[in-house]
Amino acid sequence: KAGVTQTPRYLIKTRGQQVTLSCSPISGHRSVSWYQQTPGQGLQFLFEYFSETQRNKGNFPGRFSGRQFSNSRSEMNVSTLELGDSALYLCASSLGYGRNTEAFFGQGTRLTVV
Amino acid sequence: TQLLEQSPQFLSIQEGENLTVYCNSSSVFSSLQWYRQEPGEGPVLLVTVVTGGEVKKLKRLTFQFGDARKDSSLHITAAQPGDTGLYLCAGEGVTSNTGKLIFGQGTTLQVKP
Repeated sequence: KAGVTQTPRYLIKTRGQQVTLSCSPISGHRSVSWYQQTPGQGLQFLFEYFSETQRNKGNFPGRFSGRQFSNSRSEMNVSTLELGDSALYLCASSLGYGRNTEAFFGQGTRLTVV
Repeated sequence: TQLLEQSPQFLSIQEGENLTVYCNSSSVFSSLQWYRQEPGEGPVLLVTVVTGGEVKKLKRLTFQFGDARKDSSLHITAAQPGDTGLYLCAGEGVTSNTGKLIFGQGTTLQVKP
């Protein structure tokens, strides 16, 4: 059974540009969450999608957005990139929505903003 | 705001030693998950504990959820170099009706041969 697939693995962008990251969850999983990981802040929750609807959002500016498609694949977009957006962006896949559902992570997309 | 504090932040030990990592909060969690992450990779789920007082074993790793579901510990017996990595605890709040996880800052473990 394939795991969570994130593309691309690495990305270098310039300040002011925008970027789109993709996540394909484990087959059959309908919930996708996104996290940002930095050395200083650790893992921070960005947003969660279930059945194409955003169910929860973290404390990030509106430049960070996402969506989920009918096949459960998800994308996140960051507009007007800043140097501080450099991070490992992780996608987590869960079978369902709600409590006590285990989250399985992809390998992440390493974004570097220069 | 629910927070999870992990300790210690860094741990460097010799192969064969035992160690314990702690994950503490003043808040109650409905469940707690432990992950291990290697450089450049995503976190890999090790275990989920749900019931207060629950103990789970995974080979040389023992995980415990506190009776009040506010804290957890990870104990590794006879550590090996392959145990090296970043260990993360993550909790689901009782008031949350979503899968949002709150992560601790992590414990970086180095096991020297």
